[in-house]
Amino acid sequence: GNSVTQMEGPVTLSEEAFLTINCTYTATGYPSLFWYVQYPGEGLQLLLKATKADDKGSNKGFEATYRKETTSFHLEKGSVQVSDSAVYFCALSEATNAGKSTFGDGTTLTVKP
Amino acid sequence: GAGVSQSPSNKVTEKGKDVELRCDPISGHTALYWYRQRLGQGLEFLIYFQGNSAPDKSGLPSDRFSAERTGESVSTLTIQRTQQEDSAVYLCASSLVTGLSGGEQYFGPGTRLTVT
Repeated sequence: GNSVTQMEGPVTLSEEAFLTINCTYTATGYPSLFWYVQYPGEGLQLLLKATKADDKGSNKGFEATYRKETTSFHLEKGSVQVSDSAVYFCALSEATNAGKSTFGDGTTLTVKP
Repeated sequence: GAGVSQSPSNKVTEKGKDVELRCDPISGHTALYWYRQRLGQGLEFLIYFQGNSAPDKSGLPSDRFSAERTGESVSTLTIQRTQQEDSAVYLCASSLVTGLSGGEQYFGPGTRLTVT
């Protein structure tokens, strides 16, 4: 079956540091890939997405590129802020069964001033 | 309406009792999803609805779990004869079309279920 593996947390960074959260996946066909974020006390919300190979999703300074050759979708941000502290989830949806989605276990990011 | 709402927000029940969890999606969203999130873990897909039908129920953990949706709106997730391993946060989401690729999923705040 499909699976999503994320870098284990927690991750603690200082403000303005560079962030990478690794995500690799296993899936049949060509899934769509997503990063969701859950800020403290709030619900999950979509951060960015990519629907085909070599697509780059971006939002709020975060980026991730759909790499089919390495089955990866790593999340990056050049300069994190305290307000980026949250739990980040990598996810995929199947190409042939679009309603069925698979999430990673989540990575907790804490940014210190 | 505003966003996806779920009720109750918290539910404590005794082992062996039945519970019913409710989800009100965003008006006009045709797709509705249920997930389970155990403490410190990721989201476990349970079931999704396209309209009132559920094309894929394979994520439901056992036959004690069932879900229905009426009128392309409210959905209920029922857990019969609850067990302690059912304790988790149950999340509901809705989207305009089926599948993450077709549209963003909007999540509700979840129902925290504790089975004692």
